[in-house]
Amino acid sequence: NAGVMQNPRHLVRRRGQEARLRCSPMKGHSHVYWYRQLPEEGLKFMVYLQKENIIDESGMPKERFSAEFPKEGPSILRIQQVVRGDSAAYFCASSPGSSYGYTFGSGTRLTVV
Amino acid sequence: AQTVTQSQPEMSVQEAETVTLSCTYDTSESDYYLFWYKQPPSRQMILVIRQEAYKQQNATENRFSVNFQKAAKSFSLKISDSQLGDAAMYFCAYRSLLQGAQKLVFGQGTRLTINP
Repeated sequence: NAGVMQNPRHLVRRRGQEARLRCSPMKGHSHVYWYRQLPEEGLKFMVYLQKENIIDESGMPKERFSAEFPKEGPSILRIQQVVRGDSAAYFCASSPGSSYGYTFGSGTRLTVV
Repeated sequence: AQTVTQSQPEMSVQEAETVTLSCTYDTSESDYYLFWYKQPPSRQMILVIRQEAYKQQNATENRFSVNFQKAAKSFSLKISDSQLGDAAMYFCAYRSLLQGAQKLVFGQGTRLTINP
């Protein structure tokens, strides 16, 4: 079991470009969560998805950010027209259901220059 | 909304000694989960220990144990026989049991340094 796979591990984008972050959950996990970690801070919840459905997006910024978890393939967190303030580590976690066990990926560090 | 507070930005301990990291939380719910996560420089989030609020017995995992005080809404982590590999950021987290509310709410973290 390869665990939760996130790629890329590091991503550099210029202001105004788009960033696409990928997350492949653990085998058998149908629930995916995205979190953002600013430097020297804890993780902040962004969005919770199940296959083809967004369950809770209360932590997502209203503009420029979107997430999907298609029937086939990884979950994608998409940030359009990135700004310097989007620079952060973005973590994905997965779980098999509403059990309390999450498994986190190693994160993607986004740097906007 | 639930909040989690870690009042110690940094802690240090001598190798082989014991250290306690503090965490308090605020919630109106009666049943929930609490967690401690470790984040070493590799950035990986590693689950250290978890506690179900309905259980009175404090959780223990080898050298790691918690002191869960439900009435006081306190959830401290004790690390015994500290090792160099314990050096990391430690995050306390809360999770509701309400349907559709499974997100984790994290504290600000405590940076733990182990002195050889």
